[in-house]
Amino acid sequence: DAGVTQSPTHLIKTRGQQVTLRCSPKSGHDTVSWYQQALGQGPQFIFQYYEEEERQRGNFPDRFSGHQFPNYSSELNVNALLLGDSALYLCASSPTGYNEQFFGPGTRLTVL
Amino acid sequence: AQKVTQAQTEISVVEKEDVTLDCVYETRDTTYYLFWYKQPPSGELVFLIRRNSFDEQNEISGRYSWNFQKSTSSFNFTITASQVVDSAVYFCALSDNSNSGYALNFGKGTSLLVTP
Repeated sequence: DAGVTQSPTHLIKTRGQQVTLRCSPKSGHDTVSWYQQALGQGPQFIFQYYEEEERQRGNFPDRFSGHQFPNYSSELNVNALLLGDSALYLCASSPTGYNEQFFGPGTRLTVL
Repeated sequence: AQKVTQAQTEISVVEKEDVTLDCVYETRDTTYYLFWYKQPPSGELVFLIRRNSFDEQNEISGRYSWNFQKSTSSFNFTITASQVVDSAVYFCALSDNSNSGYALNFGKGTSLLVTP
């Protein structure tokens, strides 16, 4: 039973560019959440997708957007990258109505 | 508003010592959930435990135990007879009814180093 998978593992971009990160949830899970973890900090909630809709959003600007596909996989898009967007981006999945979230290995984004 | 405080930034112990990681939370809701996650150097967050606000029973799982006290808004985590493999960053997190999607609100984490 595969866990949560994320791609790519690492990514280097320059300021102003756009990036797309991908996540496949654990089998049987239909809810996907994204978190940003800056170095030395706890993860910060970006948003959550359920039934292909954004159900909840944290305190992040509109430059951060997402999408969920019919197979429950998800993408996180970040436009107009800033140096401060450099972080580990974590995807987590959970089954309907269940708040125990299982995390993927993350994508390390570096913005130069 | 929710808040999770992990006052201990770093803890260093020698193998076989017991260690307790503190977690204090704030929420206005009567229904909420508390979690502990482990983040080894590889970066992936590993789920350890979930407790709901109506269940104050302490829990033990092998060398791990958790002490939930609503009176002090604390959910502390103890590792008995620590091992080198326990070295990691540990996060306490809170989820309450202020959001429908059960987003997790994490503390800043406690970095535990266990030396031989």
